[in-house]
Amino acid sequence: EVQLVQSGAEIKKPGESLKISCKGSGYRFPGYWIGWVRQMPGKGLEWMGIIYPADSDTRYSPSFQGQVTISADKSISTAYLQWSSLKASDTAIYYCARHGLTHDAFDVWGQGTMVTVSS
Amino acid sequence: DIVMTQSPATLSVSPGERATLSCRAARSATTNLAWYHQKPGQAPRLLIYGASTRAPGIPARFSGSGSRTEFTLTIDSLQSEDFAVYYCQQYNNWPFTFGGGTKVEIK
Repeated sequence: EVQLVQSGAEIKKPGESLKISCKGSGYRFPGYWIGWVRQMPGKGLEWMGIIYPADSDTRYSPSFQGQVTISADKSISTAYLQWSSLKASDTAIYYCARHGLTHDAFDVWGQGTMVTVSS
Repeated sequence: DIVMTQSPATLSVSPGERATLSCRAARSATTNLAWYHQKPGQAPRLLIYGASTRAPGIPARFSGSGSRTEFTLTIDSLQSEDFAVYYCQQYNNWPFTFGGGTKVEIK
């Protein structure tokens, strides 16, 4: 079964750093783009950026460029999203999702990671 | 960025009826358009890609149409499990932007 399994919920303080993960299984992880999507409380979906694990080619939305870092370790089939200094406005659910092989829609999604940033 | 606009924001439909959702792109997305739905507390699920191709396992009552800047998702004979929020997404140009969503609720 193809799946993406994300790390668990996090509660952090403003200014702290954080790295969340997304582990793929059931398919050839390096060969598929993996993206990250933000969903703030009660709001819609926002495309943050995407990485190709085979060569770590990464693209960011201008809205998130410089705010987060996307990385991947193909040897352990895991993608990451990290912050160096969290803000309260980073409170959201973060989803990882995989592109299809023949199209760039997200055909497999992780279960989401809830990140809460509060003093 | 290509701005994606969905309408209406909320659609009230009775079970068994047809729902028609619209998505407009500020500039051409060709047919690189996907539809997802999201139920409360769940991750989104891909319904349609390539503007009109159903994803594996998606029932035939879901159909997509359109190209360039105007797209439509039609759900025939709405079932109880179809009441959810629906999002369109263009993947023609980075960043691959989503629309704001249409909530399909029970009338």
